Amino acid sequence: DIQLTQSPSSLSASLGDRVTITCRASQSISNYLTWYQKKPGMPPNLLIYAASSLQSGVPSRFRGSGSGTDFTLTISSLQPEDFATYYCQQSFSTPRTFGQGTKLEIK
Amino acid sequence: QVQLQESGPGLVKPSGTLSLTCDVSGASISSSNWWSWVRQPPGKGLEWIGEIYPSGSTNYNPTLQSRVTISVDKSKNQFSLQLSSVTAADTAVYFCAREEKNDGYPRWDYWGQGTLVAVSS
Repeated sequence: DIQLTQSPSSLSASLGDRVTITCRASQSISNYLTWYQKKPGMPPNLLIYAASSLQSGVPSRFRGSGSGTDFTLTISSLQPEDFATYYCQQSFSTPRTFGQGTKLEIK
Repeated sequence: QVQLQESGPGLVKPSGTLSLTCDVSGASISSSNWWSWVRQPPGKGLEWIGEIYPSGSTNYNPTLQSRVTISVDKSKNQFSLQLSSVTAADTAVYFCAREEKNDGYPRWDYWGQGTLVAVSS
């Protein structure tokens, strides 16, 4: 199975800040990497797929990059609705696997 | 608008079988998509359970494979999850989701709201 390791596990930031979350795969997954936003009581929300493709309707302040084993999710200018937990997930092979999540909190 | 809705018992006894159904509207379950189940135990991360294609082909998480069955009912436009021999560790919110892959890159673009299933006597 492909393991995904996210860092940091938690992050405190202020409104308007720029934050970066990283995701490292245990083997190359090309660009088969997806990012989801998860809020309590809600299903995951698709943000980025194919490592850098922005899902329709997602604000442009979300940006994904990377390929191979190292990936990043960058949120520029944090908005109140961005405080949530973020998960990376690989679709290179089954079983599909997720990172452990990064909880983004308000400082 | 594609919508998915999970349904099933919210409480299952230990050693019993968890059974959930996902009703799909706004899309045909016979379309060229994989249909998945994902769960999240309280306070923990997301875990992929498995998926089914309209043809009936399935893929399961090896950690659950011996206990999981996913099936599809095209006449009702729904798919189902059965998880046998449950324990407290199977207590989780269970989500169904549609996997889109129109450009070769799989991703879950539509999700159900999730349903909490507790395993307890």
